[in-house]
Amino acid sequence: DQQVKQNSPSLSVQEGRISILNCDYTNSMFDYFLWYKKYPAEGPTFLISISSIKDKNEDGRFTVFLNKSAKHLSLHIVPSQPGDSAVYFCAARNSGNTPLVFGKGTRLSVIA
Amino acid sequence: DSGVTQTPKHLITATGQRVTLRCSPRSGDLSVYWYQQSLDQGLQFLIQYYNGEERAKGNILERFSAQQFPDLHSELNLSSLELGDSALYFCASSAGGGEGSYNEQFFGPGTRLTVL
Repeated sequence: DQQVKQNSPSLSVQEGRISILNCDYTNSMFDYFLWYKKYPAEGPTFLISISSIKDKNEDGRFTVFLNKSAKHLSLHIVPSQPGDSAVYFCAARNSGNTPLVFGKGTRLSVIA
Repeated sequence: DSGVTQTPKHLITATGQRVTLRCSPRSGDLSVYWYQQSLDQGLQFLIQYYNGEERAKGNILERFSAQQFPDLHSELNLSSLELGDSALYFCASSAGGGEGSYNEQFFGPGTRLTVL
């Protein structure tokens, strides 16, 4: 049973446009959500997170939106840059330093 | 550089063998997590240690075991290896281990295990 789902395995976006990556979850006990970015031959790198008490968190070009009623979150990257091309993983967890539950990832390609 | 180190970077071995993967957490981090990423899969949580003690267990096979040493480094032991164990194995560390805190997990570069 996949508790965190990223239904789009890949996404292509033109440089300068908005990239929107989506993630759905099923476990209503999750209260903290994270996005990680992964380049080939490297470990995942933390990008941005959001607590369930918020519906939006912004950090520079990256914004995460959380819709608790729909159990859906999305990552917006504006403007997209070629260096953003990577695999993006959505992750979630219960309170505290509990293990992360990851989606399968979405490969973003930003085309110059 | 996340500050988490993993050795070796690559490991090629045969079925039935046993290997040990090593992880050194970021300085000061008490929690270590192990994850497995198979082809086209997300990262699957295997096991967590906090300050030397097992804290949480995920989908870890009985052929696999781990431990965290007094200096906080951790080892993941994989035995009776099968072809399906070929994967990327990531270690992550975080500062805390208690409830109610949200310390980010920082990932190492991974060990790519190939079982032939």
